[in-house]
Amino acid sequence: EDQVTQSPEALRLQEGESSSLNCSYTVSGLRGLFWYRQDPGKGPEFLFTLYSAGEEKEKERLKATLTKKESFLHITAPKPEDSATYLCAVRSGGYNKLIFGAGTRLAVHP
Amino acid sequence: EAQVTQNPRYLITVTGKKLTVTCSQNMNHEYMSWYRQDPGLGLRQIYYSMNVEVTDKGDVPEGYKVSRKEKRNFPLILESPSPNQTSLYFCASKKPGLAGGSSYNEQFFGPGTRLTVL
Repeated sequence: EDQVTQSPEALRLQEGESSSLNCSYTVSGLRGLFWYRQDPGKGPEFLFTLYSAGEEKEKERLKATLTKKESFLHITAPKPEDSATYLCAVRSGGYNKLIFGAGTRLAVHP
Repeated sequence: EAQVTQNPRYLITVTGKKLTVTCSQNMNHEYMSWYRQDPGLGLRQIYYSMNVEVTDKGDVPEGYKVSRKEKRNFPLILESPSPNQTSLYFCASKKPGLAGGSSYNEQFFGPGTRLTVL
């Protein structure tokens, strides 16, 4: 059964304290791994897509990496505005189905 | 402004009273989808639609119906809501494209509808 597990469930950082969020997955034929950001009271907002092991994508203070079993979202020198829930999702097999993890709640304090 | 809108944003209802949550997108997207989000479970897909009059079940379709009579609208219907359908619901749309293309996977989500069934 396809599965996505994110850790930790919650993470508290001081402003400027770099860290990483983990997304481990078991799927039969990965066709893309996705990171989304979700702010309270809002829908998820797309960040990155990764397709193959070794691929990396960057956006401002965020960098996503992918291996054959997991993905990391690295946050460098985070700011309070980076506080949000970060969701990981995978697509396997069919075009239409995304399987989401439960998310990591990130809080960055000044 | 490109967006996905949902109505209502908040709804409290009682068991068995039929309700419809509307979803509309102004980006001319062919693909639309409904998700529910529950604590500890993440987002789970309820139904999706590849185009007008083309819909299919996601992972948790029981108790829900959808229709796609127009490209821009994709309403979610609960014929006889039950308390286990209390959840946060999101509609999303996505532009078509070739697999691997830069626009292929970006889903645009609506703001969510918080539904409580008593």
